[in-house]
Amino acid sequence: DQQVKQNSPSLSVQEGRISILNCDYTNSMFDYFLWYKKYPAEGPTFLISISSIKDKNEDGRFTVFLNKSAKHLSLHIVPSQPGDSAVYFCAATDSWGKLQFGAGTQVVVTP
Amino acid sequence: NAGVMQNPRHLVRRRGQEARLRCSPMKGHSHVYWYRQLPEEGLKFMVYLQKENIIDESGMPKERFSAEFPKEGPSILRIQQVVRGDSAAYFCASSPPPGLAGPLGEQWYFGPGTRLTVT
Repeated sequence: DQQVKQNSPSLSVQEGRISILNCDYTNSMFDYFLWYKKYPAEGPTFLISISSIKDKNEDGRFTVFLNKSAKHLSLHIVPSQPGDSAVYFCAATDSWGKLQFGAGTQVVVTP
Repeated sequence: NAGVMQNPRHLVRRRGQEARLRCSPMKGHSHVYWYRQLPEEGLKFMVYLQKENIIDESGMPKERFSAEFPKEGPSILRIQQVVRGDSAAYFCASSPPPGLAGPLGEQWYFGPGTRLTVT
């Protein structure tokens, strides 16, 4: 049962433009949402998070938006840089413990 | 402060052999999580452990898989009688005890993973 879904397996964007990654979830009990970035042969690294009581959180070039009624969140990266090329995972949790991950979106930033 | 360490980084086993994957959490972290990533998929939760205690094993296959986190030493994920379908990347994450973590998202730190190949 896939409770967190990332329906776009890949995204190609020009350097300097905005990258928008989308994520949908089905479990209304999730109260924290996180984005992780992963390079090949490395573990995921935390990027940005949002609590379910908020609808937006911003950290530098990264902004996460949460639409609880639609059970949808998105990550905006602006401006996109070549070093942003990686796989991005959306994750959610309803407790201190386990994270539920989406399948990931491969982002490629082209010059 | 060393991060989460996993070894080996790569492990090749023949069908029917046993695989042992080790995870040393970050200093000060007493909670360990194991995740598995199959090709083209996201990370799937397997088990959540505290020292000498399994908190949540709802993602563990019922047979052949076991995990422990002893009082001393690393956490071990053990897979007995491996099959080709066990080939995957296995990631460990650690966190401090609840209430001692910083901002949300900064409590889970992932290791580099162990890539298991079953031939």
